[in-house]
Amino acid sequence: DSGVTQTPKHLITATGQRVTLRCSPRSGDLSVYWYQQSLDQGLQFLIQYYNGEERAKGNILERFSAQQFPDLHSELNLSSLELGDSALYFCASSVGQGKTEAFFGQGTRLTVV
Amino acid sequence: GIQVEQSPPDLILQEGANSTLRCNFSDSVNNLQWFHQNPWGQLINLFYIPSGTKQNGRLSATTVATERYSLLYISSSQTTDSGVYFCAVRNYGGATNKLIFGTGTLLAVQP
Repeated sequence: DSGVTQTPKHLITATGQRVTLRCSPRSGDLSVYWYQQSLDQGLQFLIQYYNGEERAKGNILERFSAQQFPDLHSELNLSSLELGDSALYFCASSVGQGKTEAFFGQGTRLTVV
Repeated sequence: GIQVEQSPPDLILQEGANSTLRCNFSDSVNNLQWFHQNPWGQLINLFYIPSGTKQNGRLSATTVATERYSLLYISSSQTTDSGVYFCAVRNYGGATNKLIFGTGTLLAVQP
């Protein structure tokens, strides 16, 4: 158990819908990262927050948004879902930024039908 | 941006065999991690090893940062070692703090 908790583990939804994925980082970790893993794209970085502030952005679609709350948990919102958004979404956390080890949650498997 | 290449892409072993997985990166790094993604999709931390050598049971890893590569050694492989092994790096002085993943090595250990 990495100490990073993601909910839900599985999610099936229809095209055009909106979903929210939740992540609770390890106790004491201030950085949260979101990654998308699809079959043809590998593990792609989406966005990073540090102590409530956005710090880095990857190839995150405009239909996707995220935030980190004062209690440090984070949510990833995916809207106007398309079939191609089906993927495994991971959250990771680390104590700081840069030279610190990141730990990953179990992921949320999203299926858009 | 920094490129991360892993080799071999696929590997089939008989139980008990040893193997070496390689990770090459194109620029200086201040963070390098090895992960095992099991058949259920879970990413498991194996090593945090920006430089030097570490060992954990049957697994060991070496990173030679000056030559921009890292090696993961698996000895006496077991069927439970099957899955995908990823190397991920963070660029030293890079503009972002993201971990950049290689494309992975798919390992199948046969009984």
